[in-house]
Amino acid sequence: ILNVEQSPQSLHVQEGDSTNFTCSFPSSNFYALHWYRWETAKSPEALFVMTLNGDEKKKGRISATLNTKEGYSYLYIKGSQPEDSATYLCALNTGGFKTIFGAGTRLFVKA
Amino acid sequence: EAGVTQFPSHSVIEKGQTVTLRCDPISGHDNLYWYRRVMGKEIKFLLHFVKESKQDESGMPNNRFLAERTGGTYSTLKVQPAELEDSGVYFCASSQARGFNEQFFGPGTRLTVL
Repeated sequence: ILNVEQSPQSLHVQEGDSTNFTCSFPSSNFYALHWYRWETAKSPEALFVMTLNGDEKKKGRISATLNTKEGYSYLYIKGSQPEDSATYLCALNTGGFKTIFGAGTRLFVKA
Repeated sequence: EAGVTQFPSHSVIEKGQTVTLRCDPISGHDNLYWYRRVMGKEIKFLLHFVKESKQDESGMPNNRFLAERTGGTYSTLKVQPAELEDSGVYFCASSQARGFNEQFFGPGTRLTVL
């Protein structure tokens, strides 16, 4: 059974803090890694698709890195804002159409 | 372009009742997926349609769950009879059959079984 692990489970930060969280996956089964941002009652929003070892992607204040050899990805948020509060999900694509999700990191940003 | 839509947004039913969830994928997306998230846990794959055919239903928990996609457009997921452990958020996603399978998600249906 393939597992995608995310840590921490939840995170409380102050507005302006920078933060990061981790997604770990079995490196032998890697095809692509997806990061999503999910606010309750809304659709999970795709942030990044990462495919190559060493990939770094950036979207505004959010960036992500990928290490396929050791099986992890980091998501960074610079200068957190209250509107960044959400659950951040990573999902492993092992090839084909099946996608395996982690449980998510719930971020709370206090003004 | 309209995104993936799901109906209803919330459903509260009693144990033993039947509920049918609906998903309308993005127009032109042949691939449609159903997922479920139980509170605090990971989003788990239920099944995958390619057009009207079930490509992979390995995640369906038991025979109380029935998914259909007649005509290859919208899909329904029926739970009959519902049990307490079926409570959770049911997501639908769709994708085109190319690239790294970027999936576009609907907002989910929150199902509560009392």
